[in-house]
Amino acid sequence: KNQVEQSPQSLIILEGKNCTLQCNYTVSPFSNLRWYKQDTGRGPVSLTIMTFSENTKSNGRYTATLDADTKQSSLHITASQLSDSASYICVVSERHFNKFYFGSGTKLNVKP
Amino acid sequence: DAMVIQNPRYQVTQFGKPVTLSCSQTLNHNVMYWYQQKSSQAPKLLFHYYDKDFNNEADTPDNFQSRRPNTSFCFLDIRSPGLGDAAMYLCATSSDRGNQPQHFGDGTRLSIL
Repeated sequence: KNQVEQSPQSLIILEGKNCTLQCNYTVSPFSNLRWYKQDTGRGPVSLTIMTFSENTKSNGRYTATLDADTKQSSLHITASQLSDSASYICVVSERHFNKFYFGSGTKLNVKP
Repeated sequence: DAMVIQNPRYQVTQFGKPVTLSCSQTLNHNVMYWYQQKSSQAPKLLFHYYDKDFNNEADTPDNFQSRRPNTSFCFLDIRSPGLGDAAMYLCATSSDRGNQPQHFGDGTRLSIL
C-alpha cells in the first residue's frame, strides 16, 4: 500500500536553532518527492522537488535530502526564524498513474 | 501577482443548501486540482482536470461536482452540504501531471450551519 509517514507530528524549537523533519514513504514506483510549507490559513507553497537521482537540494535555509534506497527524506531548517512556524508536508508521486500521496505533515512552532 | 485565486476566502452555508466555490489561475496551466483539507490533516484530492478531461477520485462522494468552463477557471459544487463537509477547500494548478510542482491557492474555508 502506498503511504507517506512524517515525523514528528509536531515540534517546538527556539528561534535560531536548527531542526530536521522526517518523511518515510512506501510509494512505488517512485517519481518524485516534494516538500511544501503551509502557513496557517494559507495554501501550501512548494519548497523543493526531488527526483530519483537527487540526494540533496537546498532552498535558502531549507535543505532536503533523499535516500531512494531506504525511501526516506528529510527537511533540515537552519537558523530557524519565527516565520518558519508552519506545517511542513511531504508529498510523494507515483510514476505509473501520476498519483501522489500526502503525508499528514509536521507542525513546527518556532518560539522567541 | 497572485497566481491561483480562490473566492471567497470564507463561505458559510446552511445544511443542505448548494454552494459553489471558485478558482481562477493566471498561470495558463493545463491541470487544475481540488482538495479538501480538514483540521490538522493532509489535503485530500477530490478530483482534477487535465485540460477538459475530468478525473474523479474513487472515494469522492457524488455530492461533490466540478466544472471547468475554460483554462482559467474551475468550480467546485457541493450539491447538498452536510456537517462533515466543513473544511478548507484548496485549488491547485500544475503545468502537467507527474514531475511538475503544484501551485496552490489560499483556499476557501467552508462552514456549515
